[in-house]
Amino acid sequence: ETGVTQTPRHLVMGMTNKKSLKCEQHLGHNAMYWYKQSAKKPLELMFVYSLEERVENNSVPSRFSPECPNSSHLFLHLHTLQPEDSALYLCASSQEIRGIYNEQFFGPGTRLTVL
Amino acid sequence: TQLLEQSPQFLSIQEGENLTVYCNSSSVFSSLQWYRQEPGEGPVLLVTVVTGGEVKKLKRLTFQFGDARKDSSLHITAAQPGDTGLYLCAGAVSGAGSYQLTFGKGTKLSVIP
Repeated sequence: ETGVTQTPRHLVMGMTNKKSLKCEQHLGHNAMYWYKQSAKKPLELMFVYSLEERVENNSVPSRFSPECPNSSHLFLHLHTLQPEDSALYLCASSQEIRGIYNEQFFGPGTRLTVL
Repeated sequence: TQLLEQSPQFLSIQEGENLTVYCNSSSVFSSLQWYRQEPGEGPVLLVTVVTGGEVKKLKRLTFQFGDARKDSSLHITAAQPGDTGLYLCAGAVSGAGSYQLTFGKGTKLSVIP
């Protein structure tokens, strides 16, 4: 595997379900990100982890819960979502050097549909 | 709040034509990245520009960063159907919060064979 991988690629869930999205990066980077991409909106940054510590959460609702067990893996735990949370969820990674975050590389995304 | 405006939002052209898409802001960025995204996939990084006035070429694609580092353009020569996709620009600022890329809404390009 190379680059940034995400699983599952597609997910349909009910509002009462609990599910998790997984991201793995094979680039040796030390920062990872979750973005939400909705139709007709710019990419929205949800969470940033640098050296496995969360540095930004951008006021995301608590029904989204990130986890970063190590620098290569990132999870997004989902529970009691709303239909408006349906979107493409993208994971990205980059290499931070002294507070400068370089180019971000994206995974293929998980297309989430909340019924 | 930093905003990036991309224009046009949609562009449909015939194969072989040339085109230019724009990315504009009132904010200054330390670097600017261009991505192409195909349906159902994540954005793929095309280029990063960091110096005001910088021009970078990637085969038939020419990227320019404005002198004041507030705007950028992407010019495609002799467009091909494989160029079809959503083109996104994203600006970064150095220092605190430099992880935060500001994305434009994108230009959706369709190249008709």
